[in-house]
Amino acid sequence: GQNIDQPTEMTATEGAIVQINCTYQTSGFNGLFWYQQHAGEAPTFLSYNVLDGLEEKGRFSSFLSRSKGYSYLLLKELQMKDSASYLCAVNNGGFKTIFGAGTRLFVKA
Amino acid sequence: GAVVSQHPSWVICKSGTSVKIECRSLDFQATTMFWYRQFPKQSLMLMATSNEGSKATYEQGVEKDKFLINHASLTLSTLTVTSAHPEDSSFYICSARDGGGRGKNIQYFGAGTRLSVL
Repeated sequence: GQNIDQPTEMTATEGAIVQINCTYQTSGFNGLFWYQQHAGEAPTFLSYNVLDGLEEKGRFSSFLSRSKGYSYLLLKELQMKDSASYLCAVNNGGFKTIFGAGTRLFVKA
Repeated sequence: GAVVSQHPSWVICKSGTSVKIECRSLDFQATTMFWYRQFPKQSLMLMATSNEGSKATYEQGVEKDKFLINHASLTLSTLTVTSAHPEDSSFYICSARDGGGRGKNIQYFGAGTRLSVL
């Protein structure tokens, strides 16, 4: 089967760092994506990893280990506006990208 | 770049009527578009995959006669909810995959359509 697991909810403090983990089991692999989705809005693209290692983009970084079927999204200097759901998604080499259920992040003052 | 436009953003209709939702890729060609449905606080549910010039592929449990999908060009796909009923009320989101050189197979999402059926 194909499966993507990520925590349901996380809470962190403004200004802190938070790491959202994602593990996956898919029939193939052609890239892992992270999306941000605010309540009532559509997802927006954050990052893409296809090779092992860390990709950094401003306050957000994403890491991939293909051998472990593992990724994380790292958010630094958290802001209140970062409160959202974060979706981990994997392209299995075909037409489909499989989405995880999302991690709801609550940032508190 | 990589903008996907979805219209309308919000629609209220009477039970039994049909509603058409448009999804356009504005600055890239999308050979593949996807239609999702999302209930409050739940994850995205893929309804169908739409390939330009061919019939859509529907996920298990999605009625193809109820949710008509047309992908007539490389930049436009439409979803028509036929004979809508209150249980069809949901947030419908389209996405388009940029399979071009820039693309990395990234899916870009439209802003979504909130459908309320009375």
